[in-house]
Amino acid sequence: GAVVSQHPSRVICKSGTSVKIECRSLDFQATTMFWYRQFPKQSLMLMATSNEGSKATYEQGVEKDKFLINHASLTLSTLTVTSAHPEDSSFYICSAREVGGGYGYTFGSGTRLTVV
Amino acid sequence: AQKITQTQPGMFVQEKEAVTLDCTYDTSDQSYGLFWYKQPSSGEMIFLIYQGSYDEQNATEGRYSLNFQKARKSANLVISASQLGDSAMYFCAIEAGGTSYGKLTFGQGTILTVHP
Repeated sequence: GAVVSQHPSRVICKSGTSVKIECRSLDFQATTMFWYRQFPKQSLMLMATSNEGSKATYEQGVEKDKFLINHASLTLSTLTVTSAHPEDSSFYICSAREVGGGYGYTFGSGTRLTVV
Repeated sequence: AQKITQTQPGMFVQEKEAVTLDCTYDTSDQSYGLFWYKQPSSGEMIFLIYQGSYDEQNATEGRYSLNFQKARKSANLVISASQLGDSAMYFCAIEAGGTSYGKLTFGQGTILTVHP
């Protein structure tokens, strides 16, 4: 079945630095990927839609300049949290759907970001 | 806008028994899809089952079945013969059509605990 690889699984960074999270579809091409954010014991909230070869579409209230998304190829999307602050600490998870691969969206394993 | 409501913060079930996790939804779209995902403590999102709004039959996938009642706007997940490994957080989600294609709106989740 479709596999989405996400790295790193955990990252701790200092306040003010930037962190890049990679989301890669391993055995299928994904022209669109989705980035979600999840606070502890809460639901997943869609942050943005990553489109291969074009600009990402951000949900209302999500800062474009803080959460930079790049979808440079059909198998890779990256999320960069710029000038991270403790309030950015969260679980970030990406998803994609394989065309013709069924109805389910495949999720990466997620990245737990801690900003200290 | 779409909305998912899961009214059970936590559920307990005895091993080998069946359990129903509730999910109600709200959407103005005629075409939509309903999903159930399992999230173990590791954080990954595991796709369980899908129901399309035009599907007349309830979806089934192994021990999982979806009790779809369109008029009531409910999409409850039934897990038969519960196993200890079923202990996890369960999310119901909706994907509406049109410009919302691919964007999943999740409920708050239900923590299921299976007792031996």
